[in-house]
Amino acid sequence: AQKVTQAQTEISVVEKEDVTLDCVYETRDTTYYLFWYKQPPSGELVFLIRRNSFDEQNEISGRYSWNFQKSTSSFNFTITASQVVDSAVYFCALAYGNNRLAFGKGNQVVVIP
Amino acid sequence: EAGVTQFPSHSVIEKGQTVTLRCDPISGHDNLYWYRRVMGKEIKFLLHFVKESKQDESGMPNNRFLAERTGGTYSTLKVQPAELEDSGVYFCASSQLTGFSYNEQFFGPGTRLTVL
Repeated sequence: AQKVTQAQTEISVVEKEDVTLDCVYETRDTTYYLFWYKQPPSGELVFLIRRNSFDEQNEISGRYSWNFQKSTSSFNFTITASQVVDSAVYFCALAYGNNRLAFGKGNQVVVIP
Repeated sequence: EAGVTQFPSHSVIEKGQTVTLRCDPISGHDNLYWYRRVMGKEIKFLLHFVKESKQDESGMPNNRFLAERTGGTYSTLKVQPAELEDSGVYFCASSQLTGFSYNEQFFGPGTRLTVL
């Protein structure tokens, strides 16, 4: 069975601090894809990144970075120098079957100015 | 380019009533997905259309839920009769149909359904 665990529910940080969101997944597939989505107050989920199981290189996009470690089945997300606009719910997801997504419960990030 | 749109944004109905949710995917996206988030739980997959055909409806909770996508454009999700446990946020997502199976899905803002 596919499962994604995001342990922290709500995380509060002061602006300019770094915040790391943990994502642990379970799958029996040898090939799989992982995603992170951001849900701002407007409600829609905004795609941030897709990573396949064969690519373990870390990725950086501006203030966002992702650390994929297959050995620990983790795909963690770090926001560096957080800003108020980063306040949102962040979801980690695992794709399986015909691109069905299994989501974690999400991390509510609150950035305090 | 318009994103995925959903209507209504909120719906409050009484137990036993019928509600129909609508999703308009991004133009040209043949894949259309429905998901649901019940309060405090994960977002769960409901079903997947490829054009007008149901590719996978393994996530549909029971036969009170009926999804359609006539003509392969917009989709509707009808709940009849609604029960209290159907309350939640219903998301629609769409993606391109290509040779790659794991294209990113573009999500709508969701419809918040409350059953009293």
